Amino acid sequence: DAGVIQSPRHEVTEMGQEVTLRCKPISGHDYLFWYRQTMMRGLELLIYFNNNVPIDDSGMPEDRFSAKMPNASFSTLKIQPSEPRDSAVYFCASSGGRVPQETQYFGPGTRLLVL
Amino acid sequence: AQSVAQPEDQVNVAEGNPLTVKCTYSVSGNPYLFWYVQYPNRGLQFLLKYITGDNLVKGSYGFEAEFNKSQTSFHLKKPSALVSDSALYFCAVRGPGNTPLVFGKGTRLSVIA
Repeated sequence: DAGVIQSPRHEVTEMGQEVTLRCKPISGHDYLFWYRQTMMRGLELLIYFNNNVPIDDSGMPEDRFSAKMPNASFSTLKIQPSEPRDSAVYFCASSGGRVPQETQYFGPGTRLLVL
Repeated sequence: AQSVAQPEDQVNVAEGNPLTVKCTYSVSGNPYLFWYVQYPNRGLQFLLKYITGDNLVKGSYGFEAEFNKSQTSFHLKKPSALVSDSALYFCAVRGPGNTPLVFGKGTRLSVIA
């Protein structure tokens, strides 16, 4: 299995531009999570999906952030418009099963820099 | 609500010495406990987990962790540290149900040759 795939791995953009981050979960996994990691705030859960349906988006910082999961093999996290404080590493993770002992597997992350 | 505390931001240990990275948790009901490691510019990698059974859990790269219910702790250990173990370590907990993992803030381990 290729693991969780994220693209792009690095993104540099200017303030005000739209940014789209992409994630392909591990095949067969029905939970997908988006996290953000910064030095100041550590690892934060932004939103998670179960069977393509958003379950909890309380971690999404502002309306500028949106996430979709149109099918079981693809999810996007969009920031519009982007701001310098959005600079962070964004991780996608997935897990299978409907039991709490299932392991979450992380992608390599997208390093975002907003100038 | 469940929570995890990693009381040390940084742990330094000499190569060849035993290492311990501390973690305490708070959860209603039975806990499911996890350790992840993050190497520079990489995603989090799963190391080990405690679900039930033996309190000593063995994981990848020679790491192990001991579940202590009375102290609500799940410390990560390794008998002999390697320089290559230098990384950021995260403890995480999940309570009953299908809620996401709750992560600690991480502990940076530095193994000095």
